[in-house]
Order: sequence, then C-alpha cells, then structure tokens
Amino acid sequence: DVKVTQSSRYLVKRTGEKVFLECVQDMDHENMFWYRQDPGLGLRLIYFSYDVKMKEKGDIPEGYSVSREKKERFSLILESASTNQTSMYLCASSGLNPSGANVLTFGAGSRLTVL
Amino acid sequence: QKEVEQNSGPLSVPEGAIASLNCTYSDRVSQSFFWYRQYSGKSPELIMSIYSNGDKEDGRFTAQLNKASQYVSLLIRDSQPSDSATYLCAVNRNTGFQKLVFGTGTRLLVSP
Repeated sequence: DVKVTQSSRYLVKRTGEKVFLECVQDMDHENMFWYRQDPGLGLRLIYFSYDVKMKEKGDIPEGYSVSREKKERFSLILESASTNQTSMYLCASSGLNPSGANVLTFGAGSRLTVL
Repeated sequence: QKEVEQNSGPLSVPEGAIASLNCTYSDRVSQSFFWYRQYSGKSPELIMSIYSNGDKEDGRFTAQLNKASQYVSLLIRDSQPSDSATYLCAVNRNTGFQKLVFGTGTRLLVSP
C-alpha cells in the first residue's frame, strides 16, 4: 500500500511563528499535494508539485510556500503563522494503482492550531 | 455556484437500507469522478472512481455518472453502521494529473 506520512499529527504554534509541515511518500509518486480542510469549506488545494523542485499554486496559496527537494518529500511552510491558518492540513500523493487508475492517497493529516 | 456541490446532510438511513448520495458539478469538461469516505478525525480514503457514463459496481457500492446532467451519485446497498461517515465527491478535469476539486461532503448516519 502507498504510505503517505505526515510528520506531526498535532501542532500548536503562536502567531508569527514559522511552521514546517513535512510529508513523505514511499511509492515513488511524482505528484504531491497539500490541502487544508475546514468545516463547511471542504478540502481546498494549497499547492501541488508534479516533479522535484517544481511547484504550482492551488486555489488558496496565500500565506504558504512549499519545498520539494526530493521526490519523496513535500514540505508546506507557513512563513508567519496567523490564526486564520488554524486548520487540518492534508498531504496527498498520486500515481497509478495496480488497476492502472491514477488515484490520490492522503496522509493522516496534521491539525495545526495557531494561538 | 460551487464547482462541486453536495448536500451536507446528515442523511439518516436504517441499517440494511440503500443510502443514496448525490453530487453535481459545474465544469462540463470534467473527465473523472471519485468518491472518498472520511471517518471522523481520519483522512479521506478512496472508495470508488468512475470515468464513463453509466453505473460501476464494487461490492455494496455503485457509482453512477450522467455527464449530460453533470451528476454523479453513490449508492450504498445494505447500509451498515460502519458506513457512517462523510462522503466526499471529487472531480478532475482530465484523466491524467490528479488535481481534484472536492465537494464539502455529505454526512451519512446509519442507525442500527
């Protein structure tokens, strides 16, 4: 099975702090994604990457940046955390499953609280 | 108009009944469609994908797609309390790169 591992399950940070959320996948997938999930708003795409050192903005990139130095690792960075960035952050990767379908697989999520 | 719309629910059904979950999408060029299940406090997991008009069955789950009506649905037969979760509909504009747009989900409650 594809494993997408997020380094922190719960984080509490203060306003203005720099926050790193790490994500690692073990299936050699080229495509990786960061979403945030909020009640009533659903899953919203922040950034995605289709190759090492490549990144593309999603629907809500403001206040975030990403880094993909290695194929298996995709990091989300909050340069200066704000209270409106309190959310559940979900990393995902996509690739072909044994049936030949291109599917998206999520990590367990990182719940970030910014005080 | 939201790109992918779902009724938030909750949809309540008794154990053993058929649960019908619906989703509409606005972009006619959408090519691939997915249903994810998300238990409370967990991450979404893929349960069905469908790419062409008609029905696709997998065990107790049937996905239905009607591109002309821009409508996709998920039927769960013989619903079980363990099916109680939020079901997310997701749409992709192409069959390759997985840049999905998600609906906000429908919460399903199956009572014993």
